[in-house]
Amino acid sequence: EIVMTQSPATLSVSPGERATLSCRASQSVSSNLAWYQQKPGQAPRLLIYGASTRATGIPARFSGSGSGTEFTLTISSLQSEDFAVYYCQQYNNWQFTFGPGTKVDIK
Amino acid sequence: EVQLVESGGGLVQPGGSLRLSCAASGFTFSSYEMNWVRQAPGKGLEWVSYISSSGSTIYYADSVKGRFTISRDNAKNSLYLQMNSLRAEDTAVYYCAREKKGAVGYWGQGTLVTVSS
Repeated sequence: EIVMTQSPATLSVSPGERATLSCRASQSVSSNLAWYQQKPGQAPRLLIYGASTRATGIPARFSGSGSGTEFTLTISSLQSEDFAVYYCQQYNNWQFTFGPGTKVDIK
Repeated sequence: EVQLVESGGGLVQPGGSLRLSCAASGFTFSSYEMNWVRQAPGKGLEWVSYISSSGSTIYYADSVKGRFTISRDNAKNSLYLQMNSLRAEDTAVYYCAREKKGAVGYWGQGTLVTVSS
């Protein structure tokens, strides 16, 4: 099973600042990596797939990068609606494992 | 508009069974791979099971293998999860989810399964 890790566990950021979230896979997942945003009481929402392609309707302030085992989600200028938990997920291997999540909260 | 509506959750005793259903609309159901993903209270996301568009290929997480069975009825635009030998650690919100470019592109609102005596 491919193990996904995320850092940091919690990221405190002021509105308007840049946020950088990291995700690491225990073995290469090529570019088969997605990022999701989840707010309390809601289902997750797909942000990024293919490591760097924004899903439909996702603002340009969200960007993804990386390949192999190291990936990054960047939020260029945090808006109030961006405070949430972010998960990465690999779908290279048929056990589609998720990372433990990074909570982005208000500083 | 893609819609996924889960049903069938509830309270069940340890060792019991439950069958979840997911009604899909707004897309050609028979053309898409589907998944079940769960989330225990206050915890992260855990992928549970995958089924190909035709139903010919199925995968399970190790934690549910041998106890859960995923299936679909393309004529009824429906996805199912039969859960047997339920344990306390199966307590979670269960999401029905449709793939998009390999990732989980669309999610239902979830149905809560509570395993407790």
